[in-house]
Amino acid sequence: ETGVTQSPTHLIKTRGQQVTLRCSSQSGHNTVSWYQQALGQGPQFIFQYYREEENGRGNFPPRFSGLQFPNYSSELNVNALELDDSALYLCASSLPYRQGLNTEAFFGQGTRLTVV
Amino acid sequence: TQLLEQSPQFLSIQEGENLTVYCNSSSVFSSLQWYRQEPGEGPVLLVTVVTGGEVKKLKRLTFQFGDARKDSSLHITAAQPGDTGLYLCAGGLGGSARQLTFGSGTQLTVLP
Repeated sequence: ETGVTQSPTHLIKTRGQQVTLRCSSQSGHNTVSWYQQALGQGPQFIFQYYREEENGRGNFPPRFSGLQFPNYSSELNVNALELDDSALYLCASSLPYRQGLNTEAFFGQGTRLTVV
Repeated sequence: TQLLEQSPQFLSIQEGENLTVYCNSSSVFSSLQWYRQEPGEGPVLLVTVVTGGEVKKLKRLTFQFGDARKDSSLHITAAQPGDTGLYLCAGGLGGSARQLTFGSGTQLTVLP
């Protein structure tokens, strides 16, 4: 059973550019969530995808968008990058809510994004 | 907005000592999870507690969920250098991993 994998592991972008981060969910998990973790902080929920549709969103502007594909993998896109977007971006996959009382989230190792 | 406050923010202790980390909120959560995160890695789930007053033990780690499901604590007995890491509590709603609200974390360093 493969775990959650994210790519790339590190990325440096210039302010104003666009970036795409990728996530492959754990086998059998069709729910994917994205989190932003700034240095010294806990992760903050960006949004969640279930069956290729957005299924909940945190307090992030529209320039943060995502996709989920039929194989449950997911992308996080950020347009018009700002310096404050520099953070560790975490992807977490889980079983669908209806299948468990407490569906645990399993995290990937993250993508470290630096905006200069 | 639901907030989780963790304390202390930093903790440095000697090997063999005991410690307790606290996670408090003004909101009620249906479940609360504890994670440990090491540098360059994603958080790894340690435990999920769902019932008010619940106590769970994982080897030298003891987790408690407050009766009102607003607070939790993590107690480590006889800490070891391998326990070093960032400990995060996260509250969930509806018993799912749909959206987790994380605390800011406690950075634990156990010195040999």
